[in-house]
Amino acid sequence: GNSVTQMEGPVTLSEEAFLTINCTYTATGYPSLFWYVQYPGEGLQLLLKATKADDKGSNKGFEATYRKETTSFHLEKGSVQVSDSAVYFCALRWMDSSYKLIFGSGTRLLVRP
Amino acid sequence: DTAVSQTPKYLVTQMGNDKSIKCEQNLGHDTMYWYKQDSKKFLKIMFSYNNKELIINETVPNRFSPKSPDKAHLNLHINSLELGDSAVYFCASSQRINNEQFFGPGTRLTVL
Repeated sequence: GNSVTQMEGPVTLSEEAFLTINCTYTATGYPSLFWYVQYPGEGLQLLLKATKADDKGSNKGFEATYRKETTSFHLEKGSVQVSDSAVYFCALRWMDSSYKLIFGSGTRLLVRP
Repeated sequence: DTAVSQTPKYLVTQMGNDKSIKCEQNLGHDTMYWYKQDSKKFLKIMFSYNNKELIINETVPNRFSPKSPDKAHLNLHINSLELGDSAVYFCASSQRINNEQFFGPGTRLTVL
């Protein structure tokens, strides 16, 4: 079935370090892919998305490229800030009539000053 | 203004009790959802309503019953609570089923 696998956290980085959070998926067809972010005490917010192979989603300095050949959608940021500390969820949208979102388990990022 | 709100934020209760979690959105969306996040952080959809009509109903025990009195509200009622129901429950909404979903802050349910 459709599923999303994320690297386990927590990921602890110093400010201005380079960030990569790995995400791979298993799906039939060509799903849309998403990264959501959950700041402490808040609900999930859409961070970026890509709807077809080779698309690059970007927002707030974060980027992720839809790689069909490796079924991956890794999240990257060149220089993290303390304010980026949050839990990041990778997700795919099931491309049937339900348009269900399938989430990964989330990766907690902690950025130290 | 809060876009998607849930009450209560925390809920601690005994096994066997019946409880409800309320969700309201002021975005004018026509589709609302309930998700469950378990202790391992997996987030899984439970229900979805579009224009007050149930469109997604995952394999969820029938002790869970969603109720949508109008398009802006989707409440979750849980009967005969069990230990395994302890989780964080998220409400979300979107304009049509295939558009971006906006999430509430979650309700942490603890069953003792």
